[in-house]
Amino acid sequence: QVQLQESGPGLVKPSETLSLTCTVSGASISSRYSSWIRQSPGKGREWMGYIHYSGTTNYNPSLKSRVTISMDTSKNQFSLNLSSVTAADTAVYYCATGVGFRIEYWGLGTLVTVSS
Amino acid sequence: DIVMTQSPDSLAVSLGERATINCKSSQSILSSSNNKNYLGWYQQKPGQPPKPIVDWASTRASGVPDRFSGSGSGTDFTLTISSLQAEDVAIYFCQQYYSAPLTFGQGTKVEIK
Repeated sequence: QVQLQESGPGLVKPSETLSLTCTVSGASISSRYSSWIRQSPGKGREWMGYIHYSGTTNYNPSLKSRVTISMDTSKNQFSLNLSSVTAADTAVYYCATGVGFRIEYWGLGTLVTVSS
Repeated sequence: DIVMTQSPDSLAVSLGERATINCKSSQSILSSSNNKNYLGWYQQKPGQPPKPIVDWASTRASGVPDRFSGSGSGTDFTLTISSLQAEDVAIYFCQQYYSAPLTFGQGTKVEIK
């Protein structure tokens, strides 16, 4: 059974960097596309970007200058950094993985609040 | 970006009755190279991660009951639950994986009438 678990601070101060890690069990992130997706209160789901096991990344242009996704295949983990956060970045953040752009497995999601 | 528009936002259906959810893309997500529609449907129940139920617009995911079916092509798609069961209460949303940035429908909340 494939499971994804997001971890990281639930509260981040404005202008700081939001950092989350996704730990995958039951499947290797090698040969997969691993994404971060967020959903703000009252808003839709927003794909933030992915990393391929080859190291290739693709980011949503709406966030491109602020987002970085990295991976550690030895730990079967991938991570999200979002810099210069504001209240508008308050959201539930999901990690997800799949074949190509097709998402097969999602994490449960973690709420990150941006507030001083 | 490809905009995905779902309707309705919420739906209340009696047990055993049909539920129909629509999803429209702002441009075609049908690939001419393989004749596949790059659309998935997901089910999300409270406290659970989203679960894929239909891939490629009309292929049920493994283990999904046959009361769920997906149809449509190009820009217009439909998810049908032929006979609603209590365990189908959830939010359903579509996603296009034709091109980045990946985009999602806003979700449809299905409830029992």
